Amino acid sequence: DARVTQTPRHKVTEMGQEVTMRCQPILGHNTVFWYRQTMMQGLELLAYFRNRAPLDDSGMPKDRFSAEMPDATLATLKIQPSEPRDSAVYFCASAPPDRVYGYTFGSGTRLTVV
Amino acid sequence: GDSVTQMEGPVTLSEEAFLTINCTYTATGYPSLFWYVQYPGEGLQLLLKATKADDKGSNKGFEATYRKETTSFHLEKGSVQVSDSAVYFCALSGHNTDKLIFGTGTRLQVFP
Repeated sequence: DARVTQTPRHKVTEMGQEVTMRCQPILGHNTVFWYRQTMMQGLELLAYFRNRAPLDDSGMPKDRFSAEMPDATLATLKIQPSEPRDSAVYFCASAPPDRVYGYTFGSGTRLTVV
Repeated sequence: GDSVTQMEGPVTLSEEAFLTINCTYTATGYPSLFWYVQYPGEGLQLLLKATKADDKGSNKGFEATYRKETTSFHLEKGSVQVSDSAVYFCALSGHNTDKLIFGTGTRLQVFP
């Protein structure tokens, strides 16, 4: 089965450090999403891209978060500097051009900022 | 804006019991509706979907029918198993948007 690959699966870092999370979408999928999951807020959409162009990043704290798609096979989410409140599970998802087939999620990156 | 409301959990059932998890939505136009399942430590997996009114999505014994008149998409299963224990998310994708909007999730716990 085709899958969305996220790395790393787990990351523990100290407050103030830069964190980079990576996502490899499914080949042929042209829309990529970044979600954050916490117990308090549930699933929050941070940003998404279509055909590598950013379409909406309104859910993302602009001062410390940035999302990019350097090419069609890689999406990145960076946090600089990281803070303890950023501790969460970050999911990447991708979707084909016909989105009614649903989105495929990666297994997530569990981030802990101490 | 578009939104999804799910019943709060946890839902606790004995094996072979009947399951219903309620989901209602608010959206303009004709959204597509989805149920996702998240097992512990994993990402979300698409369970089933429906793209127009009166469509019934089904998978692994789970069913949900797109009811436009009641703006609902309730998840049902006739006989749950311990392995169905997970968090279930209802979601919609609006007619003119790529975004997938999720409900808060409902935890299901099934005991032997």
